[in-house]
Amino acid sequence: NAGVTQTPKFQVLKTGQSMTLQCAQDMNHEYMSWYRQDPGMGLRLIHYSVGAGITDQGEVPNGYNVSRSTTEDFPLRLLSAAPSQTSVYFCASSRTQQGISPPLHFGNGTRLTVT
Amino acid sequence: GQQVMQIPQYQHVQEGEDFTTYCNSSTTLSNIQWYKQRPGGHPVFLIQLVKSGEVKKQKRLTFQFGEAKKNSSLHITATQTTDVGTYFCAHRSGGSNYKLTFGKGTLLTVNP
Repeated sequence: NAGVTQTPKFQVLKTGQSMTLQCAQDMNHEYMSWYRQDPGMGLRLIHYSVGAGITDQGEVPNGYNVSRSTTEDFPLRLLSAAPSQTSVYFCASSRTQQGISPPLHFGNGTRLTVT
Repeated sequence: GQQVMQIPQYQHVQEGEDFTTYCNSSTTLSNIQWYKQRPGGHPVFLIQLVKSGEVKKQKRLTFQFGEAKKNSSLHITATQTTDVGTYFCAHRSGGSNYKLTFGKGTLLTVNP
């Protein structure tokens, strides 16, 4: 199993450009999520999904879109990049099970710089 | 949603010294998870605590969940250079069994 795969590893964008960060997992996890990590801010939840066709907003959703057309993939779209979106982005997934909170499996991250 | 405060933000120790990071909440938590992130890496799950007063050990790491389920701690005995990284606590929030909210983390550096 590859686990959670994120592409690209690094990306530089100009302000106003759009792009999609890819995330795929091969563990048949129903739950997938996107976090951004900034110095001193920890990990903040952007969007999440509990299954194909179902998405919801996290703590910092503005400027980002997601869709979940398959169980495996959960892309994150930046509609019009801004310097404030310079960050490291992590995709994470877990199984779903009633009554317990399964651990998250993280991808290796995408380091995004917006100039 | 519920916020957890993690202290300290940074801790520098000499190799062989002990280290503790604390995670505090103003409200009762259903459970708490701990993750470790090595420099340049991604967070990796360490453990989950669910029961009031629970204590779990992993080699030199000891995890505790408070009796009131409002705080938790991670203690490392005799730190090694391999312990370097940021330690995060996290809890499920907003009534979801899956949506995870993270503390801001404690960065541990170890002087050999």
